[in-house]
Amino acid sequence: NAGVTQTPKFRILKIGQSMTLQCAQDMNHNYMYWYRQDPGMGLKLIYYSVGAGITDKGEVPNGYNVSRSTTEDFPLRLELAAPSQTSVYFCASRGTGGPGANVLTFGAGSRLTVL
Amino acid sequence: GESVGLHLPTLSVQEGDNSIINCAYSNSASDYFIWYKQESGKGPQFIIDIRSNMDKRQGQRVTVLLNKTVKHLSLQIAATQPGDSAVYFCAEIVSGSARQLTFGSGTQLTVLP
Repeated sequence: NAGVTQTPKFRILKIGQSMTLQCAQDMNHNYMYWYRQDPGMGLKLIYYSVGAGITDKGEVPNGYNVSRSTTEDFPLRLELAAPSQTSVYFCASRGTGGPGANVLTFGAGSRLTVL
Repeated sequence: GESVGLHLPTLSVQEGDNSIINCAYSNSASDYFIWYKQESGKGPQFIIDIRSNMDKRQGQRVTVLLNKTVKHLSLQIAATQPGDSAVYFCAEIVSGSARQLTFGSGTQLTVLP
């Protein structure tokens, strides 16, 4: 299993540009999450999804959008990129039920710089 | 607002010594805690977890202690190795919060030769 795969690993955007960060998992997990991590800080939840067709806002959703058309994919869309969105973005997923159901599996991260 | 926090941002230990990383939480409704390790340039990796009905849980070279009276948990790493150098995060799940994890800001552990 590949686990959680994020693309791209690095991206530089100009202010006002838009882009989509891709996230895919092959573990048949229902729950998927997007976090951002600023330098020297913990992870803040942007959006999450409890299953295909269902998404909800986390702690810092402004400036982002998500969709969950399939169980496997959970893309994060940035509209009108701003310097404040310069960060490392992590996608994560988890299953439901059984041991380890609360444990998130993380992708390797996508480093985004907005200039 | 209520959130998980850490006592110290950095910790340096000699190779072979034991490490103790502390974490304070303020939400008494938190019922599950996880420790993650994040190496430079990588995503967080699960280390060990503990439920609120437990005081202690042991893994391979790691032990997590939970003190609900003072809302404190710690991660103990035995015989610290260079490969243990990383940022360590504690995270909590609040009962009834759709099982979302709230992360602390992390402690940078550096293992000295």
